[in-house]
Amino acid sequence: DGGITQSPKYLFRKEGQNVTLSCEQNLNHDAMYWYRQDPGQGLRLIYYSQIVNDFQKGDIAEGYSVSREKKESFPLTVTSAQKNPTAFYLCASSISGTAFDVLTFGAGSRLTVL
Amino acid sequence: AQKITQTQPGMFVQEKEAVTLDCTYDTSDPSYGLFWYKQPSSGEMIFLIYQGSYDQQNATEGRYSLNFQKARKSANLVISASQLGDSAMYFCAMREIINTGTASKLTFGTGTRLQVTL
Repeated sequence: DGGITQSPKYLFRKEGQNVTLSCEQNLNHDAMYWYRQDPGQGLRLIYYSQIVNDFQKGDIAEGYSVSREKKESFPLTVTSAQKNPTAFYLCASSISGTAFDVLTFGAGSRLTVL
Repeated sequence: AQKITQTQPGMFVQEKEAVTLDCTYDTSDPSYGLFWYKQPSSGEMIFLIYQGSYDQQNATEGRYSLNFQKARKSANLVISASQLGDSAMYFCAMREIINTGTASKLTFGTGTRLQVTL
């Protein structure tokens, strides 16, 4: 079955550590996205990528980094510079990134900083 | 300025009744897409329904319909014959072109928590 796989589902981090969240899709989609969700709030865009080897900052990119070396993969690193990293992180993809594309989401990764 | 507004933090509906979840949006772009997603307690985002800015008719998908009023900039979700499994968070989102047309961005509202009761 085609879809998006995010791992790990739950992750605990000590302050000062970098962590990397994995996102893999087998939908042959060109565009991929990372969103952050805080309790009781909507999703906010961290980074997005329209094609391989290219990515752009979203609304809240500070303290995060990404790479897009393969079409299928779009990992997100939460660095120690991110002041409040505890949140639910959702990866998504779409066919091409136009205004009429539906985003398909992964199941999410919940990061907790201890 | 907030681009997607959902004014109902929580709603209750009885099983088998219909319910309307409100969504208003703001954009000056003539080309945009409006989406509704459902988020159960498990956290995954499930796509429900889509309306394009140029679509003349309201979108429907099974028990879901979108009441699109372009002049009022509203895109309300109507769920007919509610079921217990419909209890979840519901997010309205707008997709608009950015970066001089080279990309698009999906902006979400803050969501409405729907509780279906017996």
